[in-house]
Amino acid sequence: GAVVSQHPSWVICKSGTSVKIECRSLDFQATTMFWYRQFPKQSLMLMATSNEGSKATYEQGVEKDKFLINHASLTLSTLTVTSAHPEDSSFYICSARDYRVSGEKLFFGSGTQLSVL
Amino acid sequence: DAKTTQPNSMESNEEEPVHLPCNHSTISGTDYIHWYRQLPSQGPEYVIHGLTSNVNNRMASLAIAEDRKSSTLILHRATLRDAAVYYCILSQGGSEKLVFGKGTKLTVNP
Repeated sequence: GAVVSQHPSWVICKSGTSVKIECRSLDFQATTMFWYRQFPKQSLMLMATSNEGSKATYEQGVEKDKFLINHASLTLSTLTVTSAHPEDSSFYICSARDYRVSGEKLFFGSGTQLSVL
Repeated sequence: DAKTTQPNSMESNEEEPVHLPCNHSTISGTDYIHWYRQLPSQGPEYVIHGLTSNVNNRMASLAIAEDRKSSTLILHRATLRDAAVYYCILSQGGSEKLVFGKGTKLTVNP
């Protein structure tokens, strides 16, 4: 099946610094990528939808200036958490789809655990 | 997005079948029914999806009620590796996003 690679798996950073998370579709071209975050014992919360070459669409309540999303190519999307604070500590998960190839299926990365000290 | 209702948790014994229910009484005619599962500390994994007819794949079967207001994910023989949170999600065909609910935490006893 299709593979979505997400890096890093975990990251610890100081408060006020920025962190970049990469999401790559390894064997397919992702026309659309999604970013989720998940707090402990909670469900996934959709943050934004990213289409290659266009600006991301953010869900209500998600600060676009804090969570910068770039989808520069059909195989790469990045999420940058700017000026991270302890409340941004969470599990961030990306997902990707190529509707023409896999239809409704969504493929997920293995997630990035962010801890902000 | 149309809502789904799932039990918070279920238990099963290893090698027995498991039926995970999902209610979606407000489903529209173009909504697909998706099932994903998430093992601890991992991203979700696609299980199965369907529109109107029952579906089978190597992982599971999806039984959809005739009125489409409910569906059941069937794991034919549960293994310890099937212990996960199972999410039932509705999404319109070609829709750009999947919105996750709380899911059902499945525990499989040896």
